[in-house]
Amino acid sequence: GEDVEQSLFLSVREGDSSVINCTYTDSSSTYLYWYKQEPGAGLQLLTYIFSNMDMKQDQRLTVLLNKKDKHLSLRIADTQTGDSAIYFCARLGDSSYKLIFGSGTRLLVRP
Amino acid sequence: DVKVTQSSRYLVKRTGEKVFLECVQDMDHENMFWYRQDPGLGLRLIYFSYDVKMKEKGDIPEGYSVSREKKERFSLILESASTNQTSMYLCASSQPAERNHVLTFGAGSRLTVL
Repeated sequence: GEDVEQSLFLSVREGDSSVINCTYTDSSSTYLYWYKQEPGAGLQLLTYIFSNMDMKQDQRLTVLLNKKDKHLSLRIADTQTGDSAIYFCARLGDSSYKLIFGSGTRLLVRP
Repeated sequence: DVKVTQSSRYLVKRTGEKVFLECVQDMDHENMFWYRQDPGLGLRLIYFSYDVKMKEKGDIPEGYSVSREKKERFSLILESASTNQTSMYLCASSQPAERNHVLTFGAGSRLTVL
């Protein structure tokens, strides 16, 4: 299957950590991605992880990959109001060019 | 610093009209894509092009066609627009495998079909 699933909505308080979760069905995925979409804009790559890695950290962002459970998460430390956006999880499909996206998680950061 | 440009941000068309959505990238990317974004459905691939004049159907090609006459330009065509094609359309481009298939997106074109 090609499903990538995410919860639709997450609300956090400013300064707290946010954790956005994603599950996928195809264990052969080689690359997994997190994209951010701000209002009225296209998608912007946040980070990606290769399937032989368990974790990747980039400043406030931490990506965790559990291949056994086919679970990907994005943790945003010290969440700011500017982090309010839609976050898309995606995986590289079998065709080696096609990215398969989840439905997106809308993150709302409350002051 | 704009790298993928979609010529129209907002369009309003009538049912049955022919619609052209244009996309230009300045990164010399070989791959170009058209996605459609709908609430709760995420992004769905309409068409993909890996070279000039080359195209492949994505997951939802029905009602759409594409044109790639030049490397930097990829056009999406709705031959006869219908109300169920009201959506946000996103163009993207990428390099081949050594770039980890990272997509660079345009800002999107929001189409309303009345």
